[in-house]
Amino acid sequence: DAGVTQSPTHLIKTRGQHVTLRCSPISGHKSVSWYQQVLGQGPQFIFQYYEKEERGRGNFPDRFSARQFPNYSSELNVNALLLGDSALYLCASSLGTFESYNEQFFGPGTRLTVL
Amino acid sequence: SQKIEQNSEALNIQEGKTATLTCNYTNYSPAYLQWYRQDPGRGPVFLLLIRENEKEKRKERLKVTFDTTLKQSLFHITASQPADSATYLCAPDTGRRALTFGSGTRLQVQP
Repeated sequence: DAGVTQSPTHLIKTRGQHVTLRCSPISGHKSVSWYQQVLGQGPQFIFQYYEKEERGRGNFPDRFSARQFPNYSSELNVNALLLGDSALYLCASSLGTFESYNEQFFGPGTRLTVL
Repeated sequence: SQKIEQNSEALNIQEGKTATLTCNYTNYSPAYLQWYRQDPGRGPVFLLLIRENEKEKRKERLKVTFDTTLKQSLFHITASQPADSATYLCAPDTGRRALTFGSGTRLQVQP
């Protein structure tokens, strides 16, 4: 079975631009979560979506937004990119929400570099 | 504020020994805590989940303990192997609405 897939693998943008990252969950998983991981740190929670609804949001500015589609895939959008947005962006899927004690299955991530 | 502390220094041990990694948290009352393994350039991989009403959980060579009084979880790898070398992340839940990860401890098992 295919695991969580993310695209693109790498991305280079300049300050002020906008970026869209994509994630396809494991078949049968209805929840997708997004994380930002800066070098040397653990993943930092951005959003969780379940059944196309936002179920959790981390401490990130409104420049970050996401959505989930009927096929449970998801997009993360970041507007007005800053140098500090350079990081590995991880998507994770799970059967249910954090309320259900579900393990997270992570994708390989998208490496975003902002110049 | 809420804080998770994992030993930022790498842990170096000899093959065959038991590795013990520590996760301390403050201003949390997690309903559960998860442990993940992360290899360089890859996403984390789930290892174990322990609930607040469980003292200990085992899976093959792995053991996790959870002390809600001390606000601490310990992660043990017995009979460690060089293939166990990786960064290990602890992640307590936050109000069952999010997972908050520690910065991880890098384990290096020497042959």
